Amino acid sequence: GAGVSQSPSNKVTEKGKDVELRCDPISGHTALYWYRQSLGQGLEFLIYFQGNSAPDKSGLPSDRFSAERTGGSVSTLTIQRTQQEDSAVYLCASTLRSRETQYFGPGTRLLVL
Amino acid sequence: AQRVTQPEKLLSVFKGAPVELKCNYSYSGSPELFWYVQYSRQRLQLLLRHISRESIKGFTADLNKGETSFHLKKPFAQEEDSAMYYCALSGGGSGNTGKLIFGQGTTLQVKP
Repeated sequence: GAGVSQSPSNKVTEKGKDVELRCDPISGHTALYWYRQSLGQGLEFLIYFQGNSAPDKSGLPSDRFSAERTGGSVSTLTIQRTQQEDSAVYLCASTLRSRETQYFGPGTRLLVL
Repeated sequence: AQRVTQPEKLLSVFKGAPVELKCNYSYSGSPELFWYVQYSRQRLQLLLRHISRESIKGFTADLNKGETSFHLKKPFAQEEDSAMYYCALSGGGSGNTGKLIFGQGTTLQVKP
Protein backbone atom coordinates (compact mmCIF):
# COMPACT_ATOMS: atom_id res chain seq x y z
CA GLY A 1 0.00 0.00 0.00
CA ALA A 2 0.95 3.65 -0.15
CA GLY A 3 3.32 4.91 2.48
CA VAL A 4 3.46 8.29 4.15
CA SER A 5 3.67 11.06 1.59
CA GLN A 6 4.84 14.64 2.02
CA SER A 7 4.65 17.69 -0.17
CA PRO A 8 6.39 19.61 -1.47
CA SER A 9 9.56 17.57 -1.64
CA ASN A 10 11.62 20.75 -1.81
CA LYS A 11 10.78 24.32 -0.86
CA VAL A 12 12.92 27.41 -1.26
CA THR A 13 11.62 30.56 0.35
CA GLU A 14 12.81 33.99 1.36
CA LYS A 15 13.37 34.97 4.94
CA GLY A 16 10.21 36.39 6.45
CA LYS A 17 7.79 34.45 4.25
CA ASP A 18 5.32 31.85 5.55
CA VAL A 19 5.45 28.23 4.40
CA GLU A 20 3.10 25.28 4.66
CA LEU A 21 4.27 21.69 4.61
CA ARG A 22 1.86 18.83 4.10
CA CYS A 23 1.81 15.25 5.35
CA ASP A 24 -0.50 12.46 4.22
CA PRO A 25 -0.23 9.57 6.69
CA ILE A 26 -0.88 5.94 5.94
CA SER A 27 -4.62 5.33 5.77
CA GLY A 28 -5.99 4.21 9.12
CA HIS A 29 -3.02 5.40 11.14
CA THR A 30 -4.27 7.34 14.12
CA ALA A 31 -1.00 8.80 15.38
CA LEU A 32 1.09 11.34 13.46
CA TYR A 33 4.44 12.90 14.33
CA TRP A 34 6.49 15.73 12.88
CA TYR A 35 10.27 15.82 13.23
CA ARG A 36 12.97 18.15 11.96
CA GLN A 37 16.33 16.99 10.66
CA SER A 38 18.93 19.72 10.60
CA LEU A 39 22.72 19.79 10.40
CA GLY A 40 23.27 21.38 13.75
CA GLN A 41 20.54 19.68 15.78
CA GLY A 42 20.11 16.24 14.28
CA LEU A 43 16.60 14.75 14.37
CA GLU A 44 14.23 16.58 16.72
CA PHE A 45 10.63 15.89 17.66
CA LEU A 46 8.26 18.76 16.90
CA ILE A 47 4.63 17.77 17.47
CA TYR A 48 2.38 14.72 17.91
CA PHE A 49 -1.26 14.11 17.07
CA GLN A 50 -3.39 11.20 18.29
CA GLY A 51 -6.99 10.99 17.20
CA ASN A 52 -9.06 13.78 18.69
CA SER A 53 -6.78 14.30 21.67
CA ALA A 54 -4.98 17.58 22.25
CA PRO A 55 -1.66 17.50 20.37
CA ASP A 56 1.67 17.32 22.15
CA LYS A 57 3.35 20.55 20.98
CA SER A 58 6.28 20.31 23.36
CA GLY A 59 8.88 20.13 20.59
CA LEU A 60 7.86 23.20 18.62
CA PRO A 61 10.88 25.58 18.73
CA SER A 62 8.94 28.85 18.71
CA ASP A 63 5.47 30.32 18.33
CA ARG A 64 6.18 30.80 14.63
CA PHE A 65 5.59 27.06 14.26
CA SER A 66 2.12 25.56 14.28
CA ALA A 67 0.47 22.44 12.98
CA GLU A 68 -2.98 21.06 12.53
CA ARG A 69 -4.47 17.76 11.58
CA THR A 70 -7.80 17.90 9.81
CA GLY A 71 -10.26 15.05 10.00
CA GLY A 72 -7.75 12.86 11.73
CA SER A 73 -5.80 12.41 8.50
CA VAL A 74 -3.80 15.03 6.62
CA SER A 75 -1.56 17.31 8.65
CA THR A 76 -0.10 20.70 7.80
CA LEU A 77 2.93 22.22 9.47
CA THR A 78 3.06 26.00 9.12
CA ILE A 79 6.11 28.13 9.72
CA GLN A 80 5.46 31.86 9.86
CA ARG A 81 8.06 34.55 9.18
CA THR A 82 10.68 31.97 8.26
CA GLN A 83 14.26 32.42 9.42
CA GLN A 84 17.44 30.96 7.97
CA GLU A 85 17.78 28.65 10.96
CA ASP A 86 14.49 27.01 9.92
CA SER A 87 16.30 25.44 6.97
CA ALA A 88 16.08 21.70 7.48
CA VAL A 89 14.38 18.53 6.33
CA TYR A 90 10.94 18.20 7.89
CA LEU A 91 9.86 14.61 8.39
CA CYS A 92 6.43 13.23 9.09
CA ALA A 93 5.73 9.79 10.52
CA SER A 94 2.55 7.88 11.26
CA THR A 95 1.66 4.81 13.28
CA LEU A 96 -1.37 2.62 13.63
CA ARG A 97 -1.38 3.44 17.33
CA SER A 98 0.94 5.43 19.57
CA ARG A 99 4.15 3.68 20.55
CA GLU A 100 4.08 1.34 17.59
CA THR A 101 6.49 1.36 14.69
CA GLN A 102 6.68 4.78 13.07
CA TYR A 103 6.64 4.91 9.27
CA PHE A 104 8.39 7.93 7.91
CA GLY A 105 7.70 10.00 4.85
CA PRO A 106 10.39 11.15 2.43
CA GLY A 107 10.57 14.58 4.00
CA THR A 108 10.32 18.16 2.79
CA ARG A 109 13.64 19.92 2.33
CA LEU A 110 13.18 23.58 3.28
CA LEU A 111 15.75 26.20 2.39
CA VAL A 112 15.28 29.72 3.70
CA LEU A 113 17.37 32.29 1.85
CA ALA B 1 17.17 14.93 30.99
CA GLN B 2 16.37 12.53 28.18
CA ARG B 3 19.28 12.15 25.84
CA VAL B 4 20.71 9.73 23.31
CA THR B 5 24.40 9.85 22.52
CA GLN B 6 26.10 8.29 19.52
CA PRO B 7 29.78 9.12 19.99
CA GLU B 8 30.92 8.31 16.45
CA LYS B 9 29.86 10.46 13.51
CA LEU B 10 31.56 8.13 11.06
CA LEU B 11 32.52 4.49 11.30
CA SER B 12 34.47 3.01 8.43
CA VAL B 13 35.15 -0.74 8.17
CA PHE B 14 36.09 -3.25 5.52
CA LYS B 15 33.62 -5.79 4.17
CA GLY B 16 33.54 -8.86 6.38
CA ALA B 17 34.77 -7.03 9.47
CA PRO B 18 32.68 -6.85 12.65
CA VAL B 19 30.69 -3.70 13.28
CA GLU B 20 29.62 -2.06 16.52
CA LEU B 21 27.71 1.20 16.49
CA LYS B 22 27.63 2.69 19.96
CA CYS B 23 24.60 4.22 21.64
CA ASN B 24 24.23 5.44 25.20
CA TYR B 25 21.13 6.96 26.68
CA SER B 26 19.98 8.98 29.63
CA TYR B 27 16.42 8.47 30.84
CA SER B 28 14.75 8.25 34.22
CA GLY B 29 12.44 5.30 33.87
CA SER B 30 12.11 2.36 31.53
CA PRO B 31 12.60 3.54 27.98
CA GLU B 32 12.09 1.74 24.74
CA LEU B 33 15.14 1.77 22.49
CA PHE B 34 15.27 1.63 18.71
CA TRP B 35 17.71 1.66 15.83
CA TYR B 36 16.60 3.44 12.67
CA VAL B 37 18.49 3.34 9.38
CA GLN B 38 18.51 5.66 6.39
CA TYR B 39 20.04 4.29 3.20
CA SER B 40 21.14 6.68 0.49
CA ARG B 41 18.15 8.42 -1.10
CA GLN B 42 15.68 6.38 0.94
CA ARG B 43 13.44 7.31 3.80
CA LEU B 44 14.16 6.67 7.45
CA GLN B 45 13.04 3.19 8.51
CA LEU B 46 13.02 1.07 11.61
CA LEU B 47 15.82 -1.49 11.81
CA LEU B 48 15.05 -3.02 15.18
CA ARG B 49 13.63 -2.32 18.63
CA HIS B 50 14.83 -3.77 21.88
CA ILE B 51 11.51 -5.29 22.95
CA SER B 52 11.45 -7.46 19.82
CA ARG B 53 14.78 -9.07 20.62
CA GLU B 54 15.19 -10.06 17.00
CA SER B 55 17.99 -9.96 14.47
CA ILE B 56 17.36 -7.92 11.33
CA LYS B 57 19.74 -8.13 8.37
CA GLY B 58 22.22 -9.76 10.72
CA PHE B 59 22.16 -6.85 13.17
CA THR B 60 21.45 -7.30 16.87
CA ALA B 61 21.28 -4.90 19.78
CA ASP B 62 21.07 -5.66 23.47
CA LEU B 63 19.74 -3.22 26.01
CA ASN B 64 22.16 -2.91 28.92
CA LYS B 65 20.35 -1.02 31.65
CA GLY B 66 23.38 -1.02 33.94
CA GLU B 67 25.53 0.74 31.36
CA THR B 68 22.52 2.55 29.77
CA SER B 69 23.66 1.37 26.38
CA PHE B 70 22.05 -0.09 23.29
CA HIS B 71 24.92 -0.82 20.93
CA LEU B 72 24.21 -2.18 17.45
CA LYS B 73 26.34 -5.08 16.30
CA LYS B 74 26.91 -7.19 13.24
CA PRO B 75 29.58 -9.87 13.02
CA PHE B 76 30.36 -9.46 9.30
CA ALA B 77 29.66 -6.15 7.58
CA GLN B 78 28.38 -6.04 4.00
CA GLU B 79 28.72 -3.18 1.54
CA GLU B 80 24.93 -2.79 1.45
CA ASP B 81 25.02 -1.96 5.16
CA SER B 82 26.51 1.44 4.32
CA ALA B 83 23.98 3.97 5.61
CA MET B 84 23.21 6.46 8.37
CA TYR B 85 22.16 4.79 11.61
CA TYR B 86 20.19 6.54 14.34
CA CYS B 87 19.66 5.29 17.84
CA ALA B 88 16.39 6.51 19.34
CA LEU B 89 14.55 6.40 22.63
CA SER B 90 10.91 6.54 23.54
CA GLY B 91 9.60 6.84 27.06
CA GLY B 92 7.96 3.79 28.56
CA GLY B 93 4.70 3.72 30.49
CA SER B 94 1.04 4.00 29.55
CA GLY B 95 1.14 7.78 29.16
CA ASN B 96 3.97 7.71 26.66
CA THR B 97 3.11 9.24 23.28
CA GLY B 98 5.77 7.32 21.43
CA LYS B 99 7.67 10.44 20.38
CA LEU B 100 11.26 9.58 19.60
CA ILE B 101 14.42 11.20 20.90
CA PHE B 102 17.21 10.58 18.43
CA GLY B 103 20.95 10.49 18.69
CA GLN B 104 23.06 12.49 16.24
CA GLY B 105 23.49 9.51 13.97
CA THR B 106 26.49 7.48 12.82
CA THR B 107 27.41 7.06 9.19
CA LEU B 108 28.57 3.51 8.54
CA GLN B 109 30.83 3.12 5.55
CA VAL B 110 31.66 -0.41 4.49
CA LYS B 111 34.58 -0.55 2.10
CA PRO B 112 35.08 -3.38 -0.41
